[in-house]
Amino acid sequence: DAMVIQNPRYQVTQFGKPVTLSCSQTLNHNVMYWYQQKSSQAPKLLFHYYDKDFNNEADTPDNFQSRRPNTSFCFLDIRSPGLGDAAMYLCATSRDTLAGGSRDTQYFGPGTRLTVL
Amino acid sequence: DQQVKQNSPSLSVQEGRISILNCDYTNSMFDYFLWYKKYPAEGPTFLISISSIKDKNEDGRFTVFLNKSAKHLSLHIVPSQPGDSAVYFCAARLTGNQFYFGTGTSLTVIP
Repeated sequence: DAMVIQNPRYQVTQFGKPVTLSCSQTLNHNVMYWYQQKSSQAPKLLFHYYDKDFNNEADTPDNFQSRRPNTSFCFLDIRSPGLGDAAMYLCATSRDTLAGGSRDTQYFGPGTRLTVL
Repeated sequence: DQQVKQNSPSLSVQEGRISILNCDYTNSMFDYFLWYKKYPAEGPTFLISISSIKDKNEDGRFTVFLNKSAKHLSLHIVPSQPGDSAVYFCAARLTGNQFYFGTGTSLTVIP
């Protein structure tokens, strides 16, 4: 039973052509995250939503935007992809980790691998 | 600036022996630490975690140790099994739903 779904799994776009990656979840978690992971590097948090509150990491480029129209869906928009944006993009969800609990963890989707030509 | 570091990109261990994966961090404000396991073509999956107020947490074959004074944590897998072969990520949390990951260690368990 898929819990965090990312579509598409592979995305090819052209330099400068806007692209949208999507993520959906069946866990009803109120926090959703987007990570960028380049080859042999650590996943890097781009931003997260706590319900509808958007939290951007300070060093996330303006080229990256996100939308969360409802609890289940979250989108990553790359307005003008550059060659350096080619990476694996991981979506994750969690309960509000501030609420406590024994397993404050994130559930990840399989990722979308973005290629920029 | 990498706040969570895994300095060993790879590790090979014989089946049945202990696997020890290490992780260092720099931010003393991290309050929670997690280990994730990742198979090819899949997203990371949660393995085990530890609060910063503890120094050990055990779950079956997996034990995580935290040394706050050294800003170091380790994951022990005993006994190691071939199915444990995967990439292991260490992650640390700041309050406010901010997570920082290491670069991962690729574990190979040799039958």
